[in-house]
Amino acid sequence: DSGVTQTPKHLITATGQRVTLRCSPRSGDLSVYWYQQSLDQGLQFLIQYYNGEERAKGNILERFSAQQFPDLHSELNLSSLELGDSALYFCASSVWGTQETQYFGPGTRLLVL
Amino acid sequence: DAKTTQPTSMDCAEGRAANLPCNHSTISGNEYVYWYRQIHSQGPQYIIHGLKNNETNEMASLIITEDRKSSTLILPHATLRDTAVYYCIVRSANNDMRFGAGTRLTVKP
Repeated sequence: DSGVTQTPKHLITATGQRVTLRCSPRSGDLSVYWYQQSLDQGLQFLIQYYNGEERAKGNILERFSAQQFPDLHSELNLSSLELGDSALYFCASSVWGTQETQYFGPGTRLLVL
Repeated sequence: DAKTTQPTSMDCAEGRAANLPCNHSTISGNEYVYWYRQIHSQGPQYIIHGLKNNETNEMASLIITEDRKSSTLILPHATLRDTAVYYCIVRSANNDMRFGAGTRLTVKP
């Protein structure tokens, strides 16, 4: 158990809909990262937040957005969902957000029908 | 960012050492080598990391060549529960973790 929690574990929705994935980092960690893992793309970095501020952006679509709240939990919002958005979404956290170990949560499996 | 090259798959007998190689010939002086593994579709699990010295922890050992162009992850006594995809990652200064395809290790009884 990494100490990172994610909800929900599974999510099934329809194309065009909007969903919110939630992540709680390890106690004391200030930085949260979001990753997407699809069958054909592997694990891809989406975005990083550090203490409420966006720190780095990866391959995140404009339909996707994230935020980190004062209690340090983070939410990833996915809108106008397409079939290709079906994937595992992982959250990771680290203490500061520089070159240090990231610890991953168990993931949310999203299925868009 | 430095890229890594790993074999697509490897087999190992239960109880034997598993040696997983990784090439990272374009690594820069301040880039760390990280190893993670992913068991089935669970979240990636941190194993070990290093800069230039060999490292050991309760899970594994990491051997980095003197020129830092390659490394080997060693699981000293592989068990069936070590069957997973193992990712070698070179960590750039901007903190991105770029996962490749990894090595699918199968531990056989």
